[in-house]
Amino acid sequence: GAVVSQHPSWVICKSGTSVKIECRSLDFQATTMFWYRQFPKQSLMLMATSNEGSKATYEQGVEKDKFLINHASLTLSTLTVTSAHPEDSSFYICSARSPGGGSPLHFGNGTRLTVT
Amino acid sequence: AQRVTQPEKLLSVFKGAPVELKCNYSYSGSPELFWYVQYSRQRLQLLLRHISRESIKGFTADLNKGETSFHLKKPFAQEEDSAMYYCALSSQGGSEKLVFGKGTKLTVNP
Repeated sequence: GAVVSQHPSWVICKSGTSVKIECRSLDFQATTMFWYRQFPKQSLMLMATSNEGSKATYEQGVEKDKFLINHASLTLSTLTVTSAHPEDSSFYICSARSPGGGSPLHFGNGTRLTVT
Repeated sequence: AQRVTQPEKLLSVFKGAPVELKCNYSYSGSPELFWYVQYSRQRLQLLLRHISRESIKGFTADLNKGETSFHLKKPFAQEEDSAMYYCALSSQGGSEKLVFGKGTKLTVNP
């Protein structure tokens, strides 16, 4: 079945540094991928829609300069958290839809980011 | 605005007992409703969607537009059903954006 791989699974970084998270569709091409954020005991919140070959679409309240998204190919989208601060610590999850009408979204395993 | 409410954070039942996970939504248009499940240490995966009107792993969910609900039900819970369950909504017509509820952690005791 369709698989979405996310890397790294967890990362610890110092405040002020930048962190890149990768999301890959392993056996299908995805023109659109989605980035979610989940705080402890909270729901998944859509951050942005990543579009291959064009700019990402950000949800209201999400800083585009803070969370840089690059969808350089049909199988890879990256989320870079720039100048990270402790409040950016969260669980980040990507998803992509496999081709075909009515196909479901496939989720990555998520990345646990801790900013110290 | 789209909103999904799952009133129960935790739900605990005994094996063989019926289980119902509640989900209510708020949306002015015609929504598509989904249930996603996340087993321990696994990724989020689709359980079922209302347009399919199917039963997966013994679970069913009926969209009730009058009550704006999409409750998930299973007549006889199994221990392997223990997981985190999320109700989600998207607007019909091809929108891929999902709005999730906060989730309900189901524990099925032996």
